[in-house]
Amino acid sequence: SQQGEEDPQALSIQEGENATMNCSYKTSINNLQWYRQNSGRGLVHLILIRSNEREKHSGRLRVTLDTSKKSSSLLITASRAADTASYFCATDGGDSWGKLQFGAGTQVVVTP
Amino acid sequence: GAVVSQHPSWVICKSGTSVKIECRSLDFQATTMFWYRQFPKQSLMLMATSNEGSKATYEQGVEKDKFLINHASLTLSTLTVTSAHPEDSSFYICSAASGVSYNEQFFGPGTRLTVL
Repeated sequence: SQQGEEDPQALSIQEGENATMNCSYKTSINNLQWYRQNSGRGLVHLILIRSNEREKHSGRLRVTLDTSKKSSSLLITASRAADTASYFCATDGGDSWGKLQFGAGTQVVVTP
Repeated sequence: GAVVSQHPSWVICKSGTSVKIECRSLDFQATTMFWYRQFPKQSLMLMATSNEGSKATYEQGVEKDKFLINHASLTLSTLTVTSAHPEDSSFYICSAASGVSYNEQFFGPGTRLTVL
């Protein structure tokens, strides 16, 4: 079953703007990861944040984690057309080591 | 980063036939591989976890006799969809994790299965 809910389901922005998407989950986690998927392709790992971390950066990506609210956010700054993709959060729960449960995903379209 | 390949990338078959999908870790040894299914515009659903040399563990609702998984070596896992039907048409994605860290899984490019 799906662990996470993501919002928005879809996001359309222009190049240069920031894109923010949120993920909520239901059970305790070891870590939370964000992935990107281009249409009809496999997943690309973006960033992992552990349950004892609150914020993490990687290039133009910024991820936050609030375990008290069971939620995470992914911010893409200065978006580019190449950022157009679906973004998924995935949680690795305490008793399901290695098994990821994916959120529903946010489809991001960045127009030039 | 680590590379995982899948073969074939797409397959079309007739209803009732069996289809085998291969997942290979090209530059690392994958002690654990995961198989996911993804319907159009939906998220990935974990089907099963396979560990090298042992039987796969299936998620609730996934028929183990229909989706046969073999993880015969540290670089290869196969998923066989037996007696495929149109409702099995989907995008099948594998991922591989090494024994060093299960936190990061490396995903294959996926296999598009269409059953006529």
